[in-house]
Amino acid sequence: DAGITQSPRHKVTETGTPVTLRCHQTENHRYMYWYRQDPGHGLRLIHYSYGVKDTDKGEVSDGYSVSRSKTEDFLLTLESATSSQTSVYFCAISVDRLAKNIQYFGAGTRLSVL
Amino acid sequence: SQQGEEDPQALSIQEGENATMNCSYKTSINNLQWYRQNSGRGLVHLILIRSNEREKHSGRLRVTLDTSKKSSSLLITASRAADTASYFCATVSTIFNNNDMRFGAGTRLTVKP
Repeated sequence: DAGITQSPRHKVTETGTPVTLRCHQTENHRYMYWYRQDPGHGLRLIHYSYGVKDTDKGEVSDGYSVSRSKTEDFLLTLESATSSQTSVYFCAISVDRLAKNIQYFGAGTRLSVL
Repeated sequence: SQQGEEDPQALSIQEGENATMNCSYKTSINNLQWYRQNSGRGLVHLILIRSNEREKHSGRLRVTLDTSKKSSSLLITASRAADTASYFCATVSTIFNNNDMRFGAGTRLTVKP
């Protein structure tokens, strides 16, 4: 999975609790992305980062925040989890964004909010 | 909203047959990409076609792009059981932020041995 590690791989939590998902890369790529995958919707972009402390919103950013204090780590936080945030979350990196934006994905985190 | 829409949603074929999946999109694009996802895994990039290209090949994969119809097709020739997976098209649009790649909902391909 292209040197990308997501943790945890599975998580069950309760409505209203904060949750943080971690994405770690080993190759110092500048661009990192968080997506969610739901049946019938494909992947939808939540937030992305173009450098340390440089982030921007994606298509479905409401209810999520991100942080990138080091090149290798990109954190996704659900401040107060809701059942609608039950999903599979994927982190991705882009190796040559300016040219093509070909992305490489982690193995995913399956999150259940009860 | 999704940029790409794959058709069919599911496809079941016998090993050795060809599999064709289609993708339609809504806005003008810089490029269109196809990804594969095995069950429980992340997506893997297969092939990219630029907006000024009409056809590309990679091994048993053939991708076509018709920008006038805003559509693309992915052909897998001589399919194998190991090709069983979900296939997604993704577009890098000229309208959205270049980081905002939009994915379709995918085609689930089953290749029977």
